[in-house]
Amino acid sequence: SAVISQKPSRDICQRGTSLTIQCQVDSQVTMMFWYRQQPGQSLTLIATANQGSEATYESGFVIDKFPISRPNLTFSTLTVSNMSPEDSSIYLCSAERGGGTEAFFGQGTRLTVV
Amino acid sequence: QKEVEQDPGPLSVPEGAIVSLNCTYSNSAFQYFMWYRQYSRKGPELLMYTYSSGNKEDGRFTAQVDKSSKYISLFIRDSQPSDSATYLCAMSEGTKGLQGAQKLVFGQGTRLTINP
Repeated sequence: SAVISQKPSRDICQRGTSLTIQCQVDSQVTMMFWYRQQPGQSLTLIATANQGSEATYESGFVIDKFPISRPNLTFSTLTVSNMSPEDSSIYLCSAERGGGTEAFFGQGTRLTVV
Repeated sequence: QKEVEQDPGPLSVPEGAIVSLNCTYSNSAFQYFMWYRQYSRKGPELLMYTYSSGNKEDGRFTAQVDKSSKYISLFIRDSQPSDSATYLCAMSEGTKGLQGAQKLVFGQGTRLTINP
C-alpha cells in the first residue's frame, strides 16, 4: 500500500480567494487523481494529475477553476480558485501504481467557503 | 442511467448478522473491482480488490464478482459495531496506458450501521 498525506486537513476560506491543497505519497506512483466528495455523496473525479504534462480534466471541471500541478512521481497540488460556497466539499487525493491496481486515498481536505 | 448503481441505504443490522452489499454496473469493460470503507470524516480505505469474475475472501469479508450479470457483492460475516461505516464500490477498466481507462468509477456508497 501507499501512505498519502494531504495538507491542509481542513480550512475555512473567504469567497473569492483560492486554496492550494498538497498531496504527498510515500513512494513513487504512476497515477495520481483528485476527487471531490460533497456531503453525503460519493466521489466525483475532478482530474488525473499527469507527471510532466497538463492534467486531464473530467467533464464539468476546468483548469482555470482547478489548476493542478504534478512536478514529480510523489507529489501533486490542487488549487481551488475564486472560491464560492458551492465549492464547500471534501477534496481527496488518490494514487495508484498503474494498470488498474489498487488506488489509495489521503484523508481528505474539508473545505468550507463562507 | 449511472454507470455504477449502489443502494445508498441506510442499512441497519444487529451485531453478528451477515451483511450483503451490492453494486450493479453497465460498462462491460470494467475488469477491476474494489470495495472501500469510509468512516465518518476520513478518506476511503481499500477493503477488497478483485480482478475479473470470482470470489475473494479476507477474514470476515468476501467479495464476489459476476461479470456476466454485471453485479458485484461484498459480504461481511459476524458483523461488528466497528464495521459501521459507508461502503463504496468502485471499478475501472484498468487498461494501462489507455487514457481514461484507469480511472475509478464509484457507486453512491451504502451507509451501514451495526447495532450492538
